[in-house]
Amino acid sequence: GIQVEQSPPDLILQEGANSTLRCNFSDSVNNLQWFHQNPWGQLINLFYIPSGTKQNGRLSATTVATERYSLLYISSSQTTDSGVYFCAAYSGGGADGLTFGKGTHLIIQP
Amino acid sequence: DAGVTQSPTHLIKTRGQHVTLRCSPISGHKSVSWYQQVLGQGPQFIFQYYEKEERGRGNFPDRFSARQFPNYSSELNVNALLLGDSALYLCASSLARNTIYFGEGSWLTVV
Repeated sequence: GIQVEQSPPDLILQEGANSTLRCNFSDSVNNLQWFHQNPWGQLINLFYIPSGTKQNGRLSATTVATERYSLLYISSSQTTDSGVYFCAAYSGGGADGLTFGKGTHLIIQP
Repeated sequence: DAGVTQSPTHLIKTRGQHVTLRCSPISGHKSVSWYQQVLGQGPQFIFQYYEKEERGRGNFPDRFSARQFPNYSSELNVNALLLGDSALYLCASSLARNTIYFGEGSWLTVV
């Protein structure tokens, strides 16, 4: 199966700091996506980013498919950014589900 | 429009019992998928249904089954519950692979 690896596993920052989360993935991965899971378990789709760069407010994401990695940038962190960030992707063929990484647990302290 | 709704939100079952979890997709979404998330891990794919047919299945035992109804809602059934089945069960609906929406999940505790 496909491999999706995330780093760092944990990150503690002060409010206002910037952060970069990394996702490495194996061959035959497509439809790479980033999600945020809040402390109550709700999983929200942040970006669909198979390649290139996208921005949404203080968040942006870049995927370099040829080098098999994606980065999620969070600028001017707020306490509400706390939670777990997952990257996930579908494998190349067939009908299947998303394969998720183990996530980056982000804590933003006031 | 309502998002993906799941029920029940929390439940406690005893080992060996059976559980049924329910999911209503976003209106117009014909694809429903189920994921299991144990504490400290990312969600793991269990099933995908599209137009009432199973389209994909993850690496789960036959104790896990699901179905999709004509109105596109779905049920996940787990028989002979084990302690290791304790997890957050997430349902997702989608129009296409780039637009997937998750419900708030059903927290299952097996004692």
